[in-house]
Amino acid sequence: AQKITQTQPGMFVQEKEAVTLDCTYDTSDPSYGLFWYKQPSSGEMIFLIYQGSYDQQNATEGRYSLNFQKARKSANLVISASQLGDSAMYFCAMRLVQKLVFGQGTRLTINP
Amino acid sequence: DVKVTQSSRYLVKRTGEKVFLECVQDMDHENMFWYRQDPGLGLRLIYFSYDVKMKEKGDIPEGYSVSREKKERFSLILESASTNQTSMYLCASSLPPRGSNQPQHFGDGTRLSIL
Repeated sequence: AQKITQTQPGMFVQEKEAVTLDCTYDTSDPSYGLFWYKQPSSGEMIFLIYQGSYDQQNATEGRYSLNFQKARKSANLVISASQLGDSAMYFCAMRLVQKLVFGQGTRLTINP
Repeated sequence: DVKVTQSSRYLVKRTGEKVFLECVQDMDHENMFWYRQDPGLGLRLIYFSYDVKMKEKGDIPEGYSVSREKKERFSLILESASTNQTSMYLCASSLPPRGSNQPQHFGDGTRLSIL
């Protein structure tokens, strides 16, 4: 069965530190995509970064990068130089054909 | 920018009522989705649609139905609302996954309470 697991319910990090949010996935399909979304307290889901299963390089978008380890089936999100505005829920998701399967989410809190 | 608009941010209804949640997108996307979000469970797919008048069941369709009469509008219907349908409902839209890299774009969500 296709599944996404985020094992960290909550994380607390000091401002300006780097933070890694864990995500592991399980699928037998060779073609899939991995997404990270941010959900601030206001509720909207904001797309952050994408990694395709055939991509050779790790994806990067500004302060966000994706540490993609295909053999280990992990797709961890790295946020460099964290800011107070990074405090939010973060969801990892896997695309299979037309659908997204989401993990349970990690609540990240950035302390000043 | 893609705009996905959900008709209500907050909604309170009574058990047994028929409830309509409306979603409109302005980017001519073929695919539209309805999710519910509950603490500790992430987002779970209720229904999705990849074309007008087409619909597919997601992972938790029981107690729900959908309607897509126009490309830009996707409605979620709770036929007879129950208290276990109290939740945050999120609508999303996307282009078809050519190359798989098309993200879904979400609305702001509707927090629905069934009393």
